[in-house]
Amino acid sequence: AQKVTQAQTEISVVEKEDVTLDCVYETRDTTYYLFWYKQPPSGELVFLIRRNSFDEQNEISGRYSWNFQKSTSSFNFTITASQVVDSAVYFCALIRDTGFQKLVFGTGTRLLVSP
Amino acid sequence: EPEVTQTPSHQVTQMGQEVILRCVPISNHLYFYWYRQILGQKVEFLVSFYNNEISEKSEIFDDQFSVERPDGSNFTLKIRSTKLEDSAMYFCASSGADQETQYFGPGTRLLVL
Repeated sequence: AQKVTQAQTEISVVEKEDVTLDCVYETRDTTYYLFWYKQPPSGELVFLIRRNSFDEQNEISGRYSWNFQKSTSSFNFTITASQVVDSAVYFCALIRDTGFQKLVFGTGTRLLVSP
Repeated sequence: EPEVTQTPSHQVTQMGQEVILRCVPISNHLYFYWYRQILGQKVEFLVSFYNNEISEKSEIFDDQFSVERPDGSNFTLKIRSTKLEDSAMYFCASSGADQETQYFGPGTRLLVL
């Protein structure tokens, strides 16, 4: 069975602080994909990044960076110099690479960035 | 940029009534999905659909639920007799041939009274 754990329920920071959102996953599959989605207050789910299990290189996109470590089954997400617009719920998710695929989501981390 | 659309954005219904939630997936996508999110909780998979048939469904997706692709563009979720516990945000998603990334619609917020 697959499982995604986001232990941080809510994080509050002040603008310009850096913040890291943790994600730990469990799977028996050797090939899989990991995702982060953002859910702003308006409610939609916005795709941020996909990572496959064979690519452990860290990725940076502007103020966002992701650290994938297979040895600890973690896929953490860091926002540098946070902004108020980053306030949202962030979901980490996992999908297997074989067969028909369904996303397995974590419970989400609510990030509040105050001015 | 192509996107998934959903209608209506909000729906209020009485318990026992039938509702149909509509989705227009991204036009060249082949795989379609419904997920739901009860308020404040995580997003849960309901069903996936490919080649005009259900490919996988969760325990939540019981006989009260059905999906259909009535034409080349729409993908619908029907709840035959709504219950209070069906109140949730329902998301449609679609993915291309590689199935790797699912793109979500804005959701339909369903409230059953």
